[in-house]
Amino acid sequence: GNSVTQMEGPVTLSEEAFLTINCTYTATGYPSLFWYVQYPGEGLQLLLKATKADDKGSNKGFEATYRKETTSFHLEKGSVQVSDSAVYFCALIPNTGGFKTIFGAGTRLFVKA
Amino acid sequence: GAGVSQSPSNKVTEKGKDVELRCDPISGHTALYWYRQSLGQGLEFLIYFQGNSAPDKSGLPSDRFSAERTGGSVSTLTIQRTQQEDSAVYLCASSYPRDRVTDTQYFGPGTRLTVL
Repeated sequence: GNSVTQMEGPVTLSEEAFLTINCTYTATGYPSLFWYVQYPGEGLQLLLKATKADDKGSNKGFEATYRKETTSFHLEKGSVQVSDSAVYFCALIPNTGGFKTIFGAGTRLFVKA
Repeated sequence: GAGVSQSPSNKVTEKGKDVELRCDPISGHTALYWYRQSLGQGLEFLIYFQGNSAPDKSGLPSDRFSAERTGGSVSTLTIQRTQQEDSAVYLCASSYPRDRVTDTQYFGPGTRLTVL
């Protein structure tokens, strides 16, 4: 079946550190891939997405590249800020029809000043 | 404009009682999702509505769970005979999907359900 696996958190970094949150998936064909973010006290919101192999999604300094060969969609940011502290969710929509979205368990990020 | 709203924000109930959770999607959004987020877990898909099509109920965990969407807008998730394992945050999202690849879901703040 379809699934998403994320690295377990929490991840704690100092400001300006490099961030990687790993995400791998299991799905047939070419699913659409997403990263959602949930800031403290707020609802989930889309951070970035990619819809085909080798696509790079980017937003707010975050990037993720759709790697078909490794079935991965790792989230990266070159220099994190305290305001990036949040929970990050990797997700996919299979290409088998419909819009059912499969989410990972989420990774909590703490950024210290 | 207004985002997705959910009510109540918190609900405490006794085991065995029925509860109704409400979702008001963004105006004009034809797709509506319900998810459940248990402590320390990811989002678990429950049900999906799209326009006048039959809903995708494949994620509902038992027949105690049901949902309806009236007039293509407001949705109500009903849990009958609640159990303690139903305690979770229930999230609603809506979208206006041109197609699967561009679907961006907009989430509500959630309803935190506690079953005593």
